[in-house]
Amino acid sequence: AQKITQTQPGMFVQEKEAVTLDCTYDTSDQSYGLFWYKQPSSGEMIFLIYQGSYDEQNATEGRYSLNFQKARKSANLVISASQLGDSAMYFCAMREGGIYQAGTALIFGKGTTLSVSS
Amino acid sequence: NAGVTQTPKFQVLKTGQSMTLQCAQDMNHEYMSWYRQDPGMGLRLIHYSVGAGITDQGEVPNGYNVSRSTTEDFPLRLLSAAPSQTSVYFCASSYSGPGSTGELFFGEGSRLTVL
Repeated sequence: AQKITQTQPGMFVQEKEAVTLDCTYDTSDQSYGLFWYKQPSSGEMIFLIYQGSYDEQNATEGRYSLNFQKARKSANLVISASQLGDSAMYFCAMREGGIYQAGTALIFGKGTTLSVSS
Repeated sequence: NAGVTQTPKFQVLKTGQSMTLQCAQDMNHEYMSWYRQDPGMGLRLIHYSVGAGITDQGEVPNGYNVSRSTTEDFPLRLLSAAPSQTSVYFCASSYSGPGSTGELFFGEGSRLTVL
């Protein structure tokens, strides 16, 4: 079964608008971590934001926030005030197991391409 | 700070040839891994290592070998390249000690084409 599902292959938004990129996950672990990475057209992978399963507050990093709904197993990325430079592929990823569990791989979704227009 | 360094960045091979993708990190990370990225497939784990001398298979290990003789280096070997191994390969490392979230630090990627 797919563990990370990103149902939006592509999203389009205008500058200064907010956009939500969807991510649902599947795990039986109580302790896990959720990540979002950005991949611009240049190809590098850029870490954006992290949410631990026991974190009570939604994670925020500047214009990025993670809307964590544990019961729904969703971890949507919200980008406020989109900029042209936000045009990229965005990947949701999950680490199963606790933060002290060495050697736990990240499992990635298939990604969502975000296009920001002026 | 170099971070994670992959070489080469681009490579073209013929079917049946062998090659090694090099990966080195200077952050003293115990955990290292290799992913491949194909269109529409996201990143899929090939092999990973939790420390020198310890390696294990990921989701798509067939056709690839790895070894980890030092903390810094984690080379990926293709013994007999096939067109299905045409892909972009990423090496990544993470700190796995106290306080770690497991965030992966990625190399810049290596684009491999097998003809």
